[in-house]
Amino acid sequence: GAVVSQHPSRVICKSGTSVKIECRSLDFQATTMFWYRQFPKQSLMLMATSNEGSKATYEQGVEKDKFLINHASLTLSTLTVTSAHPEDSSFYICSASQGARDTIYFGEGSWLTVV
Amino acid sequence: DAKTTQPNSMESNEEEPVHLPCNHSTISGTDYIHWYRQLPSQGPEYVIHGLTSNVNNRMASLAIAEDRKSSTLILHRATLRDAAVYYCILRGDSGTYKYIFGTGTRLKVLA
Repeated sequence: GAVVSQHPSRVICKSGTSVKIECRSLDFQATTMFWYRQFPKQSLMLMATSNEGSKATYEQGVEKDKFLINHASLTLSTLTVTSAHPEDSSFYICSASQGARDTIYFGEGSWLTVV
Repeated sequence: DAKTTQPNSMESNEEEPVHLPCNHSTISGTDYIHWYRQLPSQGPEYVIHGLTSNVNNRMASLAIAEDRKSSTLILHRATLRDAAVYYCILRGDSGTYKYIFGTGTRLKVLA
């Protein structure tokens, strides 16, 4: 199947700093990418949908100024957690689709710990 | 977005078949049924998807009810590596085609 890669897989940052997570589609061009957050023992929660070259669409309750999403190319989307706080510590997962009706593939996930 | 309902957990013995049910009574005619599974600390892995007809692939089979209001993921011979959370998701044919995850079924495979 298609490969979606995230980097870093684990990151620890200090409270108040910003951290960037990258999501790359390695063998296909992704017109649409999705970002999820998952707390322990819970399901994935969709944060936002990003389409290449346009602004991301955020789900209700997700702060767009705190979780900055950039989808500047067909193979790369980034999620920047700004002014991170301990409550932002979570497992962040991206997914990508070649087209609106194509199967969505997920990255390996990125663990963020804010201390 | 149409919702799905799955049992919270199931157990199976190794080498035996497993039938994971999913109810989606509000499914629309153009919604595809997708199944993913998630191992601990990993992103979800695609398993199978279908629209109306039953589907088979190397990982599993998908049986879709005639009225499409329910489906069953079938693992023909469970292995310890199949222990995971299995998600049944509907993907519409309009809008952003995004996946909304339910709670999924945690499958435990007993040796």
